[in-house]
Amino acid sequence: DQQVKQNSPSLSVQEGRISILNCDYTNSMFDYFLWYKKYPAEGPTFLISISSIKDKNEDGRFTVFLNKSAKHLSLHIVPSQPGDSAVYFCAASGAGSGGSNYKLTFGKGTLLTVNP
Amino acid sequence: DARVTQTPRHKVTEMGQEVTMRCQPILGHNTVFWYRQTMMQGLELLAYFRNRAPLDDSGMPKDRFSAEMPDATLATLKIQPSEPRDSAVYFCASGLYVAEAFFGQGTRLTVV
Repeated sequence: DQQVKQNSPSLSVQEGRISILNCDYTNSMFDYFLWYKKYPAEGPTFLISISSIKDKNEDGRFTVFLNKSAKHLSLHIVPSQPGDSAVYFCAASGAGSGGSNYKLTFGKGTLLTVNP
Repeated sequence: DARVTQTPRHKVTEMGQEVTMRCQPILGHNTVFWYRQTMMQGLELLAYFRNRAPLDDSGMPKDRFSAEMPDATLATLKIQPSEPRDSAVYFCASGLYVAEAFFGQGTRLTVV
């Protein structure tokens, strides 16, 4: 049973446009959410995160939105650049508010291709 | 430039052989994870340690997989005996007091 789902295996956008990657989760105990980016032959790298007490977190061109009632989060990349082409993983954690390392449950990833 | 180091990067072995993968976590990180990536399952958590103590290894096939941290600078994942279905990329990651984990480059294992 997949607790974190990324229903779009791939997404293709034009350079300069917005990329929107989506993620759904089923476990209501998740309270911390992360996005990772992965290039071929490399490990995933942390991109941005959001706590369940927020509904939006922004870092430069990257913004993550969280809709707790719908158990849905999305990553927006504006403007998209060819270097953003990678696999994007959504991940969720049951970490409490005290802040501590907990295991991450990952989605299967979405391959983003940004065309010049 | 702190990073998680994994060795070997690639391993091809015959079915039935023992495989050992090694990981050097980022100095000072107190949590170490082992993940496996396959096309079918995506990234699956196999085991994780905090302060070198195993906290959860429920993702590992117990009869053939074992994970240890002999010291704070080394984590190992062993498969004995290996099987073709173990072919995957194995990632080690480390972290400190937050959910964000830093991943190594992975070990691509092929069992023939």
